[in-house]
Amino acid sequence: DTGVSQDPRHKITKRGQNVTFRCDPISEHNRLYWYRQTLGQGPEFLTYFQNEAQLEKSRLLSDRFSAERPKGSFSTLEIQRTEQGDSAMYLCASSLTRASSYNEQFFGPGTRLTVL
Amino acid sequence: RKEVEQDPGPFNVPEGATVAFNCTYSNSASQSFFWYRQDCRKEPKLLMSVYSSGNEDGRFTAQLNRASQYISLLIRDSKLSDSATYLCVVNIGKWEYGNKLVFGAGTILRVKS
Repeated sequence: DTGVSQDPRHKITKRGQNVTFRCDPISEHNRLYWYRQTLGQGPEFLTYFQNEAQLEKSRLLSDRFSAERPKGSFSTLEIQRTEQGDSAMYLCASSLTRASSYNEQFFGPGTRLTVL
Repeated sequence: RKEVEQDPGPFNVPEGATVAFNCTYSNSASQSFFWYRQDCRKEPKLLMSVYSSGNEDGRFTAQLNRASQYISLLIRDSKLSDSATYLCVVNIGKWEYGNKLVFGAGTILRVKS
């Protein structure tokens, strides 16, 4: 399978614990995005990387959240001191860089986080 | 006001029916437009891009009205397999700085035999 992959697919944690998620984009894609989706809502943009550079962060991304893409390939999203409100599906997407606003973003299967 | 608004539904229709979904967006500088499909507990997948001239892909037709900031999706001859949530998506970023997608909350479609 050469699509976007995410690990783990499910994570249950206790409030106050730290969690880290991994995303492996499609190999030739140099743009990588993180989104969060809660029940009954569409995905919400969190942050975006062009190669290893984090170029934009949403105000949804509090200081408990940090994302990295150290070698411009896979990315990690860490949440420190998790809260029950962090429970959501965390989606990763990747795309090529082309001179078009219609670049397709391909989504991974997501990591479902439950904070108890 | 949400940036992208959709009727949440659900739309319950019989097989073979024609169904239309509407969506409005608030950012007049939006660059591009899409419909994504999301099956239950799965990731969103691109259904079709929406161009100013309108476009059709088999049973699916999308229209864009930039003046009214309105996007539509028409599904003809509905199939059971069309049952899903349809997400209206607007790109408010420029490609040079990363296309930034804003999603509506989705419209649920249930096609019944």
